[in-house]
Amino acid sequence: QVQLQESGPGLVKPSETLSLTCTVSGDSINNYYWTWIRQSPERGLEWIGNIYNTESTKYNPSLNSRVTISIDTSKNQFSLKLTSVTAADTAFYFCARGYYRGAVSFDYWGQGALVTVSS
Amino acid sequence: DIQMTQSPSSLSASVGDRVTITCRASQTIRSYLNWYQQKPGKAPNLLIHSASTLQSGVPSRFSGSGSGTDFTLTISSLQPEDFATYYCQQSFRTPTTFGPGTKVDIK
Repeated sequence: QVQLQESGPGLVKPSETLSLTCTVSGDSINNYYWTWIRQSPERGLEWIGNIYNTESTKYNPSLNSRVTISIDTSKNQFSLKLTSVTAADTAFYFCARGYYRGAVSFDYWGQGALVTVSS
Repeated sequence: DIQMTQSPSSLSASVGDRVTITCRASQTIRSYLNWYQQKPGKAPNLLIHSASTLQSGVPSRFSGSGSGTDFTLTISSLQPEDFATYYCQQSFRTPTTFGPGTKVDIK
């Protein structure tokens, strides 16, 4: 059974960096598109980016300059860093497994982590 | 970015009803369309991928159809556990984008 679990601070100050980690169990992190997605009432579900094959990354152009996704295969974890946050970055952040079957769908998700940006 | 719209934004239905939700893409996405169900406080759950392929473990009362720009999700006989919000997602172009959701609640 594949499971994903987000971890990280729930409160981040404006202009600082949001950092989250997703721990994957029940599967190797060497395959699939490991993905971050966020959800807020204002923006709905928004794809942040993914990492594939341990080193290939793609990011949403709307966030591109602020986002970094990395992977630690020894710990079966992947991580998100979002710099220079503002209140608009307040959201539930989900990690998910992207499964390629001609195109990518998200078949396993973490439970989500609420991150609030506030001083 | 490809814009996804859904209609209706919400609907009220009874157990046993047939429910249809529509999703439209701003340009052709061939059959690269996925559907998710989300319940309050939970992550989205994949129901259908590639427009019409049922995800493993999903009840057969869920079905999807469409290609190009217009797609539908049908629940043939609504069950109590189906009251939730449903989202479509296109995976044809990066960035992948989601629809705004359709909330199905109890009449």
